[in-house]
Order: sequence, then C-alpha cells, then structure tokens
Amino acid sequence: EAGVVQSPRYKIIEKKQPVAFWCNPISGHNTLYWYRQNLGQGPELLIRYENEEAVDDSQLPKDRFSAERLKGVDSTLKIQPAELGDSAVYLCASSFSGTARAENEKLFFGSGTQLSVL
Amino acid sequence: GENVEQHPSTLSVQEGDSAVIKCTYSDSASNYFPWYKQELGKGPQLIIDIRSNVGEKKDQRIAVTLNKTAKHFSLHITETQPEDSAVYFCAASRGYKLSFGAGTTVTVRA
Repeated sequence: EAGVVQSPRYKIIEKKQPVAFWCNPISGHNTLYWYRQNLGQGPELLIRYENEEAVDDSQLPKDRFSAERLKGVDSTLKIQPAELGDSAVYLCASSFSGTARAENEKLFFGSGTQLSVL
Repeated sequence: GENVEQHPSTLSVQEGDSAVIKCTYSDSASNYFPWYKQELGKGPQLIIDIRSNVGEKKDQRIAVTLNKTAKHFSLHITETQPEDSAVYFCAASRGYKLSFGAGTTVTVRA
C-alpha cells in the first residue's frame, strides 16, 4: 500500500516568491492534515480537512497561506509571498475517519517538503 | 491549549541498553498519547500509542506507560539496536488535534 506522497521533496526560493506543495493521501483516508515542522521542533498543525472541507484552519496564517482540497483527495498548500521565517519542513498526514475511534487518531505522515527561503 | 514537554532532548545509549524518554502534558482532558519515530529526511512514523484508559502497553522491544494523575507518559526501548537511532516525538490529543513534544534525539552506540 502506498503511503502519503508529497512533492517536491525540496524547494529553494527567494523571499517574496510564491511556492506550492502537493500531497496525495493514503487511498481511502478522508482526513488530511498539513503540519509545519521547524528545525529541532515537533510538527505543528496548520490545517485539517474532512473530505474537501477545512474543519480547522485556526493555525493557518491566512494573510499569506492558503490550502485547497477540491475533490476530497489531493491537497495543495500555498504560500504567497514567502518570508524568511517560512523556512521549515511542511508535512502532510492523513487518517481514516470512520466509526472505529481507535483508527481515526492514527496519523500517517509523508516525507515532507523542505522549504528554504533565501 | 495542550502543552507537551519532552525530556531529555538528546540521549546516547550503548547498544543493548535501555532508553527511556519522558513526557508531561497539561490538558487533563487529553486521552490519546502516540509516539512517533522520525528518521533523517523522513516524516514521523507511528510506533506505539496508548489511550487514557490503559496504564501500559507493550510491543516487542518498546513499551509505553501512562500516569494520568501525574499527567506524564514514558517510552521505554529495551535491547537497543543501531536502527533505533532517530528522533522520537511524544504527542497528546483530545480528539484529532495532536500536540507534539520537541523531540528526543536517540543515538545508539555500537
């Protein structure tokens, strides 16, 4: 079974430029998360989707960050314009939301996109 | 919100010895406590989890204990091997929102 797929693996851009990250979750997982991981820290939630609906975007800096999951499968996270402080690893995760609570909370992460803003 | 503290930040052990990582959490309503292992260049991988109605859980060489009263939980790795070298994260959640600790870099010396 394929895991969570993210691309690109690395991205180097100059500040003020736009950047986009793409995520394909595990097949059948209807919940998708975007996390940001700063160097030496744990991941922090940016946004959570249930199917195509963003059910928690309270931690997403909406002035420059946007995300979409149009058909409830793939998702794109965008930053425009990027700032120096946005340098981090952007992780996508997915989980299965069904009636079995024990499985709902198990998150599966992709390998992330490492963003460097110069 | 939930605040998770993790200690130590780095841990070096001799191969074959045990490793213990400890975490505390602030929200008494948290009821799910997973542990993730992150290898260089990869995303975190779930290695074991425990719920608040269980005090201890074991899976081969790894075990997790939970003390709800004290609001702390620990990861124990026995008979460490070189492939156990990685960054380990604890997390706590109520519902879907995981709050992660800052991580522990474990190095197993051959």
